[in-house]
Amino acid sequence: KQEVTQIPAALSVPEGENLVLNCSFTDSAIYNLQWFRQDPGKGLTSLLLIQSSQREQTSGRLNASLDKSSGRSTLYIAASQPGDSATYLCAVQGAQKLVFGQGTRLTINP
Amino acid sequence: GAVVSQHPSWVICKSGTSVKIECRSLDFQATTMFWYRQFPKQSLMLMATSNEGSKATYEQGVEKDKFLINHASLTLSTLTVTSAHPEDSSFYICSGSREGAYNEQFFGPGTRLTVL
Repeated sequence: KQEVTQIPAALSVPEGENLVLNCSFTDSAIYNLQWFRQDPGKGLTSLLLIQSSQREQTSGRLNASLDKSSGRSTLYIAASQPGDSATYLCAVQGAQKLVFGQGTRLTINP
Repeated sequence: GAVVSQHPSWVICKSGTSVKIECRSLDFQATTMFWYRQFPKQSLMLMATSNEGSKATYEQGVEKDKFLINHASLTLSTLTVTSAHPEDSSFYICSGSREGAYNEQFFGPGTRLTVL
């Protein structure tokens, strides 16, 4: 059974800092890994999707890496802004379903 | 991009009534649709997977007679919560996938259900 863990559960940093969110998964037999953003009371916004054959994806200030063999992914956010405050979810697609982590609640302080 | 809508965005109902939530793929054909439930401060949990024209496959612990899922077309899936109770209050999110269950899922904005 796939288990996805995100560390830390919550993170508060001052504006402008670079930061890293971590995601680990127990079963390396995955098709892809996605990072999502969720604002309070809202749905999911897809940030980055990394196929199992890829090592990383970049979009603007975001960079996500994938090390399938070790079951790890990181989301790097450069030059953080207050508007980046949200919950960030990692999800891995296996043969059966998309499994989500519990999320990291990020607060960027002005 | 691929857009998925949900209706209603929020609903309040009395205990014992039934509530229908619609999930539509607006600009693509979703051969597979998924329904998730999210309790406060928790992550998304898959409830069921449905392929167009087929019966839904429910996750362990999800009552199929309580959560009726219909996927009658490539752009519409519905979730009906029958005889709703306060413990069914949750955030329900659907997603659609273009070419099967292993490809990228595009998520709707969610529906907040409150059962009084």
